Parts: sequence; C-alpha cells; structure tokens
Amino acid sequence: AQTVTQSQPEMSVQEAETVTLSCTYDTSENNYYLFWYKQPPSRQMILVIRQEAYKQQNATENRFSVNFQKAAKSFSLKISDSQLGDTAMYFCAFMNANTPLVFGKGTRLSVIA
Amino acid sequence: KAGVTQTPRYLIKTRGQQVTLSCSPISGHRSVSWYQQTPGQGLQFLFEYFSETQRNKGNFPGRFSGRQFSNSRSEMNVSTLELGDSALYLCASRPGTADYGYTFGSGTRLTVV
Repeated sequence: AQTVTQSQPEMSVQEAETVTLSCTYDTSENNYYLFWYKQPPSRQMILVIRQEAYKQQNATENRFSVNFQKAAKSFSLKISDSQLGDTAMYFCAFMNANTPLVFGKGTRLSVIA
Repeated sequence: KAGVTQTPRYLIKTRGQQVTLSCSPISGHRSVSWYQQTPGQGLQFLFEYFSETQRNKGNFPGRFSGRQFSNSRSEMNVSTLELGDSALYLCASRPGTADYGYTFGSGTRLTVV
C-alpha cells in the first residue's frame, strides 16, 4: 500500500521569506501523481501544485515550486515570498490510476508578520 | 462555474442515530469521492462513485454507505452513529476516473454527542 509521510507537524516562517515543506512517499509503482493541497481555516482543500511522476521537470505555480526526487521518493514544496494568506495546513498526497488520493498527516504552516 | 457543494455545513447528532450528507459535484464531473478527516487519523478515503457505481471503497465498517444519482450528485449515510464518527467529511469531484484533478468541497462538520 502507498504511504505518504510529512515529518514536520508544524512550521513557521517570516513574511516575505522562503520555506520548504518536506514529503516522502512509498510506492512500487512507476506511474503516479503527487500533489500539494492547502487547507485554510475555511476547511476547503485547495490544490496548490501537482507533479506527474514521468516528468523530470519540477512543477512550478507562481510562488510555489516542488523538488521532485523520484529515486529518493521525495516531494518537497517550496513557498517563496511567503504571505500571511499562506497560513494553512498543507497536505502532500499521492495517487495513481488504481488508487484514490492518499494523504500525509499534514504540516501546519504559520506565516508571521 | 459553481464549485463542489456540500450540505449541511454543520450537523449535530446523537449516538445511535443515522445521518445523510449530500454532495453536488461540479457540473460535468462524473466522479465523486468522500473522505473523513479527524485530528487523530488525518484524511481517510471512504469511497468513490463514478456513473452511479461504487468504484473504490476504503477500510470503513458497513455502517458507512453511499450512493450516486444519475445527475452525479452523491450522498453518504452513516447509521448507528458512534462518538468516533465525529469528523469533517469532505467530498471531491473530478471529470472522470482518468482525470487527476480533484476539486474539494468545504465539508460537513459532523458532531456526535
């Protein structure tokens, strides 16, 4: 079974600084997708960024980028120029064609003014 | 384009009762998944429906059931409620089972007393 591990339960960062959230996963599959979701206090899970395993190029979305290391099964999220609105729970998730989304336990990120 | 709509937002029920939660997916989305979110267990997959058929099921007791209607709207039912069923129940939709772009609703917060 696939598992996703987020080793940092809580993190904080100063506004305008950069922070990196860690995620590792375990799978025997070769084709899969990885995601970072953000869950603010409003509770809605919002997709931040996604990465296809067959693509070597790391995905980027504005201030958000990932460092995808397939051999190491690592998928970290970097947030640049952190903003107060980035304060939220961040979940790393894995899925492939035959399995639903599997989530990590999450990292609570606080952006401090 | 309207997002994923879940009703009700909040619900308080007594042990032993049953409850039905509703999810209206994004127009055109035929796949609906349900997740249970608790502080202790995190996000756990309940089931996925596609074109009125259950496609995947998580490791939950038979008290948890669901269905999908011809208009893709979905309901989940929990019978004989237990205190441990208190959780945020999230619904997510996507266009089809080959598409990996899940969109989540804001969830239903169920409290069992």
